[in-house]
Amino acid sequence: SQQGEEDPQALSIQEGENATMNCSYKTSINNLQWYRQNSGRGLVHLILIRSNEREKHSGRLRVTLDTSKKSSSLLITASRAADTASYFCATDEGQLTFGSGTQLTVLP
Amino acid sequence: GAGVSQSPRYKVAKRGQDVALRCDPISGHVSLFWYQQALGQGPEFLTYFQNEAQLDKSGLPSDRFFAERPEGSVSTLKIQRTQQEDSAVYLCASSWAGDYNEQFFGPGTRLTVL
Repeated sequence: SQQGEEDPQALSIQEGENATMNCSYKTSINNLQWYRQNSGRGLVHLILIRSNEREKHSGRLRVTLDTSKKSSSLLITASRAADTASYFCATDEGQLTFGSGTQLTVLP
Repeated sequence: GAGVSQSPRYKVAKRGQDVALRCDPISGHVSLFWYQQALGQGPEFLTYFQNEAQLDKSGLPSDRFFAERPEGSVSTLKIQRTQQEDSAVYLCASSWAGDYNEQFFGPGTRLTVL
């Protein structure tokens, strides 16, 4: 079963705009991870945020975590066409439990 | 090779056939995971190894699914008497050790059961 739910399911933006994806989950977590998957490819780890952290940055990525609301958000700033992919949040209980993903399309 | 590799990349099987999917994790990675990803969905956990020990197989959907990692490195996921509902991408991931670490994923094996 899938723990996380991403919102929106699909997002289409223009190059240069920011993209925000949200994730909600159900149980207590040790950490939450975000992954990217290009069509027909494996998943690439983007960022890990621990349960005692509230915000984390990595390049153009910004992740927030609100454990009281059991939610996380991924912000991609100054998007590029190459950012087009599916983005998944995953809660880490040893094994990862993934949401159903957000399909992001960045139009050139 | 620097990453996780999986073979074959694509497999077409007739219903009732047995298949074997191989995963070569990153050298030195203690933990190995198998996931199943249906079209348009996120991956779902199947099973977990720490070295050669299978510590969790709670995600295996039926007793037709069997995984092994006899020497603590390469792993094989075997599906017996394949059914159409087994059609999916099977992803393998490895990580350094223990829990709560970044997992490195292979490209997956796309299984189509006719």
